[in-house]
Amino acid sequence: QSVLTQPPSASGTPGQRVTISCSGSSSNIGRHTVNWYQRLPGAAPKLLIYTNDQRPSGVPDRFSGSKSGTSASLAISGLQSEDEAEYSCAAWDDSLNGFWLFGGGTKLTVL
Amino acid sequence: QLQLQESGPGLVKPSETLPLTCSVSGGSISSMYSGTYRWGWIRQSPGKGLEWIGQVHSGGTELNPYLRSRVTISVDTSKNQFSLRLKSVSDADTAVYYCARLDSGGPGDYWGQGILVTVSS
Repeated sequence: QSVLTQPPSASGTPGQRVTISCSGSSSNIGRHTVNWYQRLPGAAPKLLIYTNDQRPSGVPDRFSGSKSGTSASLAISGLQSEDEAEYSCAAWDDSLNGFWLFGGGTKLTVL
Repeated sequence: QLQLQESGPGLVKPSETLPLTCSVSGGSISSMYSGTYRWGWIRQSPGKGLEWIGQVHSGGTELNPYLRSRVTISVDTSKNQFSLRLKSVSDADTAVYYCARLDSGGPGDYWGQGILVTVSS
């Protein structure tokens, strides 16, 4: 069964740089682009990064994405308290006729 | 500004069918239905990650293979709505259900606020 693996938690202090990883396989990240979503407490997910490294309008450039092989990463620099949220990666998976696959989510705590 | 809003029962009994509707305002589904956009459902069970349920567009539907046998997604352009029916629910289907607009790149900028559905007798 295809999975996108993320660490369940991450943390940092204000001003720090934090990186969240997303590990997949050749059927998903290895062949397709990656999106990242931010879900603030009590809110719906928000598109943070699309096509590996593109930011939608309005997303601060403190957020950046990258992809290499079958893995992707989300980096947040200049960490702020309002960045405390759950972050999830997503990619299309080619197995079983294809479907959108999400990672398990990473809860980011700003200490 | 496009807005999506889920509606439906907050409590469903095991083995029954869960019906949810997503009402779209600020834009016409029909004008976007024939283009690059898809209208879909995504859920998040307690303590778990997001799970794509499926999506509908002018070319048909695409469904999560692990849920396919229980899921129906349809569009009513006259009401500017799209719907989800999930049959034979169990405890594992307890989740916050989101409707969203997707494109070829996946779920995008427009999501509903989410509706909590609990499966319990």
